[in-house]
Amino acid sequence: DTEVTQTPKHLVMGMTNKKSLKCEQHMGHRAMYWYKQKAKKPPELMFVYSYEKLSINESVPSRFSPECPNSSLLNLHLHALQPEDSALYLCASSRGTGLQETQYFGPGTRLLVL
Amino acid sequence: AQSVTQLGSHVSVSEGALVLLRCNYSSSVPPYLFWYVQYPNQGLQLLLKYTTGATLVKGINGFEAEFKKSETSFHLTKPSAHMSDAAEYFCAVLSSGGSYIPTFGRGTSLIVHP
Repeated sequence: DTEVTQTPKHLVMGMTNKKSLKCEQHMGHRAMYWYKQKAKKPPELMFVYSYEKLSINESVPSRFSPECPNSSLLNLHLHALQPEDSALYLCASSRGTGLQETQYFGPGTRLLVL
Repeated sequence: AQSVTQLGSHVSVSEGALVLLRCNYSSSVPPYLFWYVQYPNQGLQLLLKYTTGATLVKGINGFEAEFKKSETSFHLTKPSAHMSDAAEYFCAVLSSGGSYIPTFGRGTSLIVHP
């Protein structure tokens, strides 16, 4: 199983809503990532979890709150988002954080903030 | 510091024609290089990667890339384009001794005409 799954596929939310994005992998990977991708742009790293501990936070606003409940799951909690936060949110995982490790990406959640 | 330049935001080819997507990198140490493909409304999929060893790397779907240190390039090629190759292609670089987070190029959109 080389699959990273993400739910929901699409999400529309208002600026006062609270929602969560979910990511799951069963490859035994110990590193998991959240990326944000705007249309026709490369992915931008948001967070990295290594062995369920947050290891990188790329100065992401606090309205985005990541959580790694166990080694297979990664959540991204959203609160009081802005319209400019509308984007494709990609989750990825890798076996570890070594240089030769390949990141496997999920299909993404397309988020629209109204 | 590491960076990636992808020349041409759009490349248009006819079905059956050669595909050439250009990628140049900047790295002060030996790099690890990747090509990812992103089909519409999907996440990123690894096409191929160069770490060490043979400079001609073969990937999935008939793609290959050649690492040329003297030219700091890692161009992606495919002898004969297929309609299903239409997608966004991202080149990425990792520098050994640096962060394990890849730096992505801005992407090249491949358009295939019948």
